[in-house]
Amino acid sequence: RKEVEQDPGPFNVPEGATVAFNCTYSNSASQSFFWYRQDCRKEPKLLMSVYSSGNEDGRFTAQLNRASQYISLLIRDSKLSDSATYLCVVNFLTGKLIFGQGTTLQVKP
Amino acid sequence: DAGVTQSPTHLIKTRGQQVTLRCSPKSGHDTVSWYQQALGQGPQFIFQYYEEEERQRGNFPDRFSGHQFPNYSSELNVNALLLGDSALYLCASSRRTSGSYEQYFGPGTRLTVT
Repeated sequence: RKEVEQDPGPFNVPEGATVAFNCTYSNSASQSFFWYRQDCRKEPKLLMSVYSSGNEDGRFTAQLNRASQYISLLIRDSKLSDSATYLCVVNFLTGKLIFGQGTTLQVKP
Repeated sequence: DAGVTQSPTHLIKTRGQQVTLRCSPKSGHDTVSWYQQALGQGPQFIFQYYEEEERQRGNFPDRFSGHQFPNYSSELNVNALLLGDSALYLCASSRRTSGSYEQYFGPGTRLTVT
């Protein structure tokens, strides 16, 4: 079983749609959680950290459920520029980041 | 404020050769981690350097080695290259005392082994 699992997609949505990505992790000792965004042939960029209480940054909302070992990312009012691969990332306290495979989002006009 | 830089951008090597990749961390960061990203996969952790020592290592063979210099920059060395080593090699920097474990990535070095 992979340590971090994501549905690779692709998710094809129209502009303005709301889309949600989910991610599960296997190690209950995981301490920190992140969503990174990666454009084609570019480096991953930190989108947001994920906190137990949930957090929001503009159109993006991240949720963490430690009991179910589940992380989610919600994107509201999708823009064409949101098209990218979204990587779910878990840290096991030591600074070693474990990445999921990534979920590809394509926003269509 | 310069971000994480890596060199070279692209590299083509022949099977059996050796390669050295370089990374300069973001200003104020003291920890460097290296990742390998194969096509269609998420990055895989290779190792992490702090205070010029390897602190953690992922599931990579000894052919992969590294170094960190007093100015916090780092090198990744890969010996006896295999075709399967073809990938994007990413360097990420962080500040150990920040407590957030957020890491910031450089643009990567795309290695092709023929």
